[in-house]
Amino acid sequence: NAGVTQTPKFQVLKTGQSMTLQCAQDMNHNSMYWYRQDPGMGLRLIYYSASEGTTDKGEVPNGYNVSRLNKREFSLRLESAAPSQTSVYFCASIGINTGELFFGEGSRLTVL
Amino acid sequence: AQSVTQPDIHITVSEGASLELRCNYSYGATPYLFWYVQSPGQGLQLLLKYFSGDTLVQGIKGFEAEFKRSQSSFNLRKPSVHWSDAAEYFCAVGALNNNNDMRFGAGTRLTVKP
Repeated sequence: NAGVTQTPKFQVLKTGQSMTLQCAQDMNHNSMYWYRQDPGMGLRLIYYSASEGTTDKGEVPNGYNVSRLNKREFSLRLESAAPSQTSVYFCASIGINTGELFFGEGSRLTVL
Repeated sequence: AQSVTQPDIHITVSEGASLELRCNYSYGATPYLFWYVQSPGQGLQLLLKYFSGDTLVQGIKGFEAEFKRSQSSFNLRKPSVHWSDAAEYFCAVGALNNNNDMRFGAGTRLTVKP
């Protein structure tokens, strides 16, 4: 049981380049999330998807887009990367009726 | 909107000593409270959670936390710290029926001295 898998684990971009972070979960969870983690700021919610076909903005959505491709997959896209988007990104899904978030191992993104 | 404050950015304790990590929250309704742990280079793992009932909850790895409504606190404790407990700890508050509103504190980094 793989849980939550996200790729790539590391990526370096130049300002203005685009990229997509991929996330998949095999726990049949309905809700999925994208967080970013920055030193001293904890985890901040970028976007979430309560169910297949729906997405909503979180606390810091600017500069990002998401796609809930199916129940398993939830991708995060940076259309034009900026240095302020240098961060560690975590995908998560939430257990049905448990409230527990299950996290991927993170994707470290550096924008030069 | 709810918020979480972890007053201590970094704590150092000796191995075998007791530990208490502080967490204060602000939430308009009955909160659902969580503690997560993050080892270096890893994702977050749930230590324990409080939804309702007994205000003292037990978690994995010998951790416990106490919900105090009057103080809006949910402090994490461990009687005797092990070197493997060195990690970053995050308190979070959310609502089971409003899952988008899971807010995290800034984290407390724990160093364990031999």
